[in-house]
Amino acid sequence: ETGVTQSPTHLIKTRGQQVTLRCSSQSGHNTVSWYQQALGQGPQFIFQYYREEENGRGNFPPRFSGLQFPNYSSELNVNALELDDSALYLCASSNPLRGSSYEQYFGPGTRLTVT
Amino acid sequence: GNSVTQMEGPVTLSEEAFLTINCTYTATGYPSLFWYVQYPGEGLQLLLKATKADDKGSNKGFEATYRKETTSFHLEKGSVQVSDSAVYFCALRHNYGQNFVFGPGTRLSVLP
Repeated sequence: ETGVTQSPTHLIKTRGQQVTLRCSSQSGHNTVSWYQQALGQGPQFIFQYYREEENGRGNFPPRFSGLQFPNYSSELNVNALELDDSALYLCASSNPLRGSSYEQYFGPGTRLTVT
Repeated sequence: GNSVTQMEGPVTLSEEAFLTINCTYTATGYPSLFWYVQYPGEGLQLLLKATKADDKGSNKGFEATYRKETTSFHLEKGSVQVSDSAVYFCALRHNYGQNFVFGPGTRLSVLP
């Protein structure tokens, strides 16, 4: 196990609703990245948070937003859910100042189904 | 833009067979290259990495060599086990970047 936890494990939402996913980073890690993994595809980068500020964003619309808290845990919020938002959402934590800056430790993911 | 291409799966092998999963990339500059593995119901785990040309990453019997001239990072293992059954993702990351770019994944099934 990596020490990165995510909640909830699964959830089902209706199109148009809003959802919040949570991630607790590994102890000592100050950077959290979020990825969307559609069925049968590789993860796609959504955004990254470093010390509570967004620090890079992929090709996702503004209805995907996030937060990072002082304890470095993070939330991913998705507004106005669409059917194509159905995916596994992965968070990964790292600490660029400790050891290899390339190491990202992934959580088990949250499976979101939009109906 | 940056992209990663992997051989399509699924790949089905018998135990102790030789494994190769092809990976090629398109990127500006000199990215670092990675293989991640995803077991059923779990997140991604780093399998191995290489940060510059001609480096060989290795772990748990798996190996991959960073070939700049062919922009490739093929994954190999001499003798697969049933426990190696998983989805394997090739990925790249630039030293200055925040994010990984992943390939579509290759599902491996190893039969006893």
